[in-house]
Amino acid sequence: EAQVTQNPRYLITVTGKKLTVTCSQNMNHEYMSWYRQDPGLGLRQIYYSMNVEVTDKGDVPEGYKVSRKEKRNFPLILESPSPNQTSLYFCASSPTANTEAFFGQGTRLTVV
Amino acid sequence: AQSVTQPDIHITVSEGASLELRCNYSYGATPYLFWYVQSPGQGLQLLLKYFSGDTLVQGIKGFEAEFKRSQSSFNLRKPSVHWSDAAEYFCAVGANDMRFGAGTRLTVKP
Repeated sequence: EAQVTQNPRYLITVTGKKLTVTCSQNMNHEYMSWYRQDPGLGLRQIYYSMNVEVTDKGDVPEGYKVSRKEKRNFPLILESPSPNQTSLYFCASSPTANTEAFFGQGTRLTVV
Repeated sequence: AQSVTQPDIHITVSEGASLELRCNYSYGATPYLFWYVQSPGQGLQLLLKYFSGDTLVQGIKGFEAEFKRSQSSFNLRKPSVHWSDAAEYFCAVGANDMRFGAGTRLTVKP
C-alpha cells in the first residue's frame, strides 16, 4: 500500500531535549516536505527536499533541521525544542514539487 | 512566490444545502491547484486538482471546483452537503513549491 509513515504519532517532551520525528514514503517520490499546522494558520512549510541530499528552507525553518540521505526517508530534527514548537506536524511526499502531495497521519508534539 | 487566501475561516450550512468554499491565489502564471480535506484527527486527503484543460473539475465525494483565471480563484462546490462532509478544507497552490491556505472549517447542521 502506498503510504507516508510518520512516527511517533504523539509526543510529549521537555524544553531542550533533542527529538527526531521520522518520515518514510514507499512511492519513490522525489519531493518531500514537512509542515506544521496551527489553528488559524493552516499548514506552513518548514523544510522541503527536491531529492536526495537536496534540502531547502520553507516558511518557518527556525529551530528545525532535516536530512535526506535516502530517497524514502526525511526525518525532522528538533535540536532544542521550545514550547512554541508545540504543534501538529505533517510529512508529505509527491512526485515533484507541484503535484499531488500524499500526507502522513501527523505527529502531535507538545513541548513543556 | 505563490500565495493562497481562503477568506472564510468557518462556514456553517444545513444538511442538504449547497456549499461553496472560496479560494484565491496569487501567482504569475497558471499554477497547479488543489483542494484537500482534513477530517478530525486525520491527515489530508486530496479532493480534486486542476492542472490544465477544462476549468470545471470533478473530485471525490461529489465535490467540484471551477478555475477562473480572471478572478484568480478556484472555488470548491457541492450541490448537497452531507453531515459527513464536516471537516476542514484546504486550498493549495503548487508552483515552485506547495503553499496552503489557512483552511475553512465546515460545520453541518442537521
